Amino acid sequence: GAGVSQSPSNKVTEKGKDVELRCDPISGHTALYWYRQSLGQGLEFLIYFQGNSAPDKSGLPSDRFSAERTGGSVSTLTIQRTQQEDSAVYLCASSLIGPGDTQYFGPGTRLTVL
Amino acid sequence: AQSVSQHNHHVILSEAASLELGCNYSYGGTVNLFWYVQYPGQHLQLLLKYFSGDPLVKGIKGFEAEFIKSKFSFNLRKPSVQWSDTAEYFCAALAPTGTASKLTFGTGTRLQVTL
Repeated sequence: GAGVSQSPSNKVTEKGKDVELRCDPISGHTALYWYRQSLGQGLEFLIYFQGNSAPDKSGLPSDRFSAERTGGSVSTLTIQRTQQEDSAVYLCASSLIGPGDTQYFGPGTRLTVL
Repeated sequence: AQSVSQHNHHVILSEAASLELGCNYSYGGTVNLFWYVQYPGQHLQLLLKYFSGDPLVKGIKGFEAEFIKSKFSFNLRKPSVQWSDTAEYFCAALAPTGTASKLTFGTGTRLQVTL
């Protein structure tokens, strides 16, 4: 079946611009996660959606970052006024119920802020 | 704060050599542990996981990991590596109690297997 998809695969933007990254989770998965992977770093948790519950935003690095999940499916991660330190690969994952389940990752979006 | 440490950043092995990648976590209570792998050009995927029971966990492709509670460790092993095992390996931990709802990942170990 279809896996987690993300778009765009690559995004180059200028400092100060806003960007939107999209994630389509596996159909039927109630949990969705965003991570950031910077060069030489592990995966940094950003945000977690579980069904209709309020998301766990504890990993968002600043108020420039926000995310929403519409209809319990597609999610969009928005970064406002991008900075060079935002350059990273942004990974989305989904799982059937929650964090203890196997998380299935998408291919990521490589963001480069010039 | 919870953390996961992987002390081997880059490991180079010849085919048929044995592999052990270290992973240590900082939680004191119940913990669920995972190893994920990212092959070149592919998505991250689950290799194996430990929730409870037998501390020696078998995963895909001949990998195994041993949970040693007294050492806060969950090292990944494989008796004989293949060239196709070249990948980046990430250890992750989840503390399922309270509001800790996120996986914490280590910084990863890049494994290079030479022919």
